[in-house]
Amino acid sequence: GENVEQHPSTLSVQEGDSAVIKCTYSDSASNYFPWYKQELGKGPQLIIDIRSNVGEKKDQRIAVTLNKTAKHFSLHITETQPEDSAVYFCAASSSGYSTLTFGKGTMLLVSP
Amino acid sequence: DVKVTQSSRYLVKRTGEKVFLECVQDMDHENMFWYRQDPGLGLRLIYFSYDVKMKEKGDIPEGYSVSREKKERFSLILESASTNQTSMYLCASAGGAGRYEQYFGPGTRLTVT
Repeated sequence: GENVEQHPSTLSVQEGDSAVIKCTYSDSASNYFPWYKQELGKGPQLIIDIRSNVGEKKDQRIAVTLNKTAKHFSLHITETQPEDSAVYFCAASSSGYSTLTFGKGTMLLVSP
Repeated sequence: DVKVTQSSRYLVKRTGEKVFLECVQDMDHENMFWYRQDPGLGLRLIYFSYDVKMKEKGDIPEGYSVSREKKERFSLILESASTNQTSMYLCASAGGAGRYEQYFGPGTRLTVT
């Protein structure tokens, strides 16, 4: 089955800096790659996603890039703010039933 | 907006008890999922359902069962709770085939003593 590795496990940045979180996947058939943000005490919330026919997608301060050949994708957050502090999960589609395999998560801490 | 609700935010049960966790979604989604979340292990899929009365095992189904009698409701059952089932349980739903976007509920933190 699919295996998703996520790095780093924790990331500390100063407000205004950029943050990058990277994931690799194993199944070349995977074609959907979402990113979720989980704030303390809440369920994960979808913040951006990308499909395998697209190399990059942006939404304001966040962007996702996908390299299908290398089987890795990354989340980029620019001009970080304290409210970006949360745990971020990457995931990859696993089967025709719309299942996802998740990475283990990255705790992002943005210091004022 | 998609809304996924879970019956309890916090639950404390004793070892050996039968535990029911309920999840309801209001978007007429075909697919529903149960995950458990543990520190350092991320989200692990327990069971999912792609239609009423249909279920499939995920990565860690041992010790759990599920029920989906109505499209909007998906229940997770711990037949005989054990301390190693102390965890955060998350329910999610997604549209039909090819629609991968999953929407999560707020989670139930279950403690088994």
